[in-house]
Amino acid sequence: TQLLEQSPQFLSIQEGENLTVYCNSSSVFSSLQWYRQEPGEGPVLLVTVVTGGEVKKLKRLTFQFGDARKDSSLHITAAQPGDTGLYLCAFPKEGGSEKLVFGKGTKLTVNP
Amino acid sequence: DTAVSQTPKYLVTQMGNDKSIKCEQNLGHDTMYWYKQDSKKFLKIMFSYNNKELIINETVPNRFSPKSPDKAHLNLHINSLELGDSAVYFCASSLRNTEAFFGQGTRLTVV
Repeated sequence: TQLLEQSPQFLSIQEGENLTVYCNSSSVFSSLQWYRQEPGEGPVLLVTVVTGGEVKKLKRLTFQFGDARKDSSLHITAAQPGDTGLYLCAFPKEGGSEKLVFGKGTKLTVNP
Repeated sequence: DTAVSQTPKYLVTQMGNDKSIKCEQNLGHDTMYWYKQDSKKFLKIMFSYNNKELIINETVPNRFSPKSPDKAHLNLHINSLELGDSAVYFCASSLRNTEAFFGQGTRLTVV
């Protein structure tokens, strides 16, 4: 069972377009993290959302945590080729274990 | 200064060989991880160490043996390599369940 469902799996758009990617689950999370992974590199944290309904902005990226803390979205305004990469959401699995569980990611390609 | 460094970056080896990947972090974190990313880019945890102690051992063949000589190092030794072991292996570190910092990955190709 995949705890985190990310959609779409692939997204190819033109420079300047807006887009939204989603991270959904049936579980409630204490927090959720978004990472971006560029080709040949490891994932890099973009943001952590903690409070239900929280909205965080990082330049042209807007992250939202659902009110029930079961889902999150990432909206990119006026996408640029530099936004190309794999966007991963992850949550820390509680209960004494030390691990981050990742979704399968959304592979975004922004064409010039 | 590189926060999480792993070596080698590329590793090509024949089936049946034994190989090791090394990881070091200079962030003072107490938790280190090994993740495997398959060809479909799915990132799945293999092991987690907290203060040199094994915390998580997911369903990984016992040909994979992690070793943490100290809090700053977590190495991965793989015995009797198989074709299916080909993947990118990422080392990461964090302070418990906070932000994880990843290395650049080791692309392992078993031929």
